[in-house]
Amino acid sequence: EPEVTQTPSHQVTQMGQEVILRCVPISNHLYFYWYRQILGQKVEFLVSFYNNEISEKSEIFDDQFSVERPDGSNFTLKIRSTKLEDSAMYFCASRGTGASNTGELFFGEGSRLTVL
Amino acid sequence: DAKTTQPTSMDCAEGRAANLPCNHSTISGNEYVYWYRQIHSQGPQYIIHGLKNNETNEMASLIITEDRKSSTLILPHATLRDTAVYYCIVRFRTGNQFYFGTGTSLTVIP
Repeated sequence: EPEVTQTPSHQVTQMGQEVILRCVPISNHLYFYWYRQILGQKVEFLVSFYNNEISEKSEIFDDQFSVERPDGSNFTLKIRSTKLEDSAMYFCASRGTGASNTGELFFGEGSRLTVL
Repeated sequence: DAKTTQPTSMDCAEGRAANLPCNHSTISGNEYVYWYRQIHSQGPQYIIHGLKNNETNEMASLIITEDRKSSTLILPHATLRDTAVYYCIVRFRTGNQFYFGTGTSLTVIP
């Protein structure tokens, strides 16, 4: 069964460093998402991406964050200068399109980011 | 997207049916009801969705009331592996993001 894959599964970084989290969405999907979950809190929407541009973003997704689809398979989330409060699980998700699509998102297993 | 209300937590005995309710009284005619679950800190897992009719798949059944103001997710024979947080989400099929509330924390008891 096709699945969303994310790398790395866990990354530890120093405050102020840049981090790139990578995702390989399901191959025929065209909508891509990033969510995050701080330990013990809700799953929060960060950004959605379609047709090579951001279609929606939350207030969390500030100038420190960026997303990119550098090639036909990867979807990345970059945090330019990490802060302690960026420590969280980051989930990538994708969604299909077309008449047969019924709107569900498929999530990866997440990348745990720890900022020291 | 319409808001949903779910109980904070529930217990269910192993092997029994788990019935998880959700209220969505402001749902509009074209909004679907989606159910997801999150086991520990894993990625949210899609379970089932529906518009008006009751739905069943290999994981669960979804019962939607005739007025569509509430629904129930049924896990017919709960196992310990079904212990998770269950989210009821209402959204248009072509809508963008999913809003995850606090969900229902289901504990299956041996």
